[in-house]
Amino acid sequence: QKEVEQNSGPLSVPEGAIASLNCTYSDRGSQSFFWYRQYSGKSPELIMSIYSNGDKEDGRFTAQLNKASQYVSLLIRDSQPSDSATYLCAVNRKNRDGNDMRFGAGTRLTVKP
Amino acid sequence: KAGVTQTPRYLIKTRGQQVTLSCSPISGHRSVSWYQQTPGQGLQFLFEYFSETQRNKGNFPGRFSGRQFSNSRSEMNVSTLELGDSALYLCASSLTGGIALDTQYFGPGTRLTVL
Repeated sequence: QKEVEQNSGPLSVPEGAIASLNCTYSDRGSQSFFWYRQYSGKSPELIMSIYSNGDKEDGRFTAQLNKASQYVSLLIRDSQPSDSATYLCAVNRKNRDGNDMRFGAGTRLTVKP
Repeated sequence: KAGVTQTPRYLIKTRGQQVTLSCSPISGHRSVSWYQQTPGQGLQFLFEYFSETQRNKGNFPGRFSGRQFSNSRSEMNVSTLELGDSALYLCASSLTGGIALDTQYFGPGTRLTVL
């Protein structure tokens, strides 16, 4: 089992729809959770961070965390073609050397006009 | 404010050689972290430096090492290069909280090809 798993996609939604991206993680000791967006040929950029159970909203983006189910998701409301990118789920956990960051393989999202 | 800069942007080396990559963080940022991105393994965390000390470390062999200078600039070194080290190496900087707490701002990366 991979430490961080994402639905690999690709995920295609029409413009204006809600895109739902999911991520599960295996280490119950994980503490911080991040969603990055990466456009093709570009570097990742942070979209959302979430640290406690529940929802966190920022504009059109909502991150949801359920530590009991070891599940974190990202909802994108009113999806725009400019949201078309690969979304990476990242999980921070303790290791013997301090902290470690593990990334999922990414979900490629396409928003069709 | 200038973003994270990485040099060189492209590099070609042969197996067995060593390589040093450089990263200059955003002004005022004191944490620098390094990542490797490949099509097969995805994005992987190498290590993080803060105040010239390695604060966090991922699961990479000792051939991968780094250091940070007093001006927060960082270098990453890979010794005895292997074909599998061909990758995009990304550097990210943040204020002080690092990978666990702060927003990481990524540089454009250095594309390393090992022949």
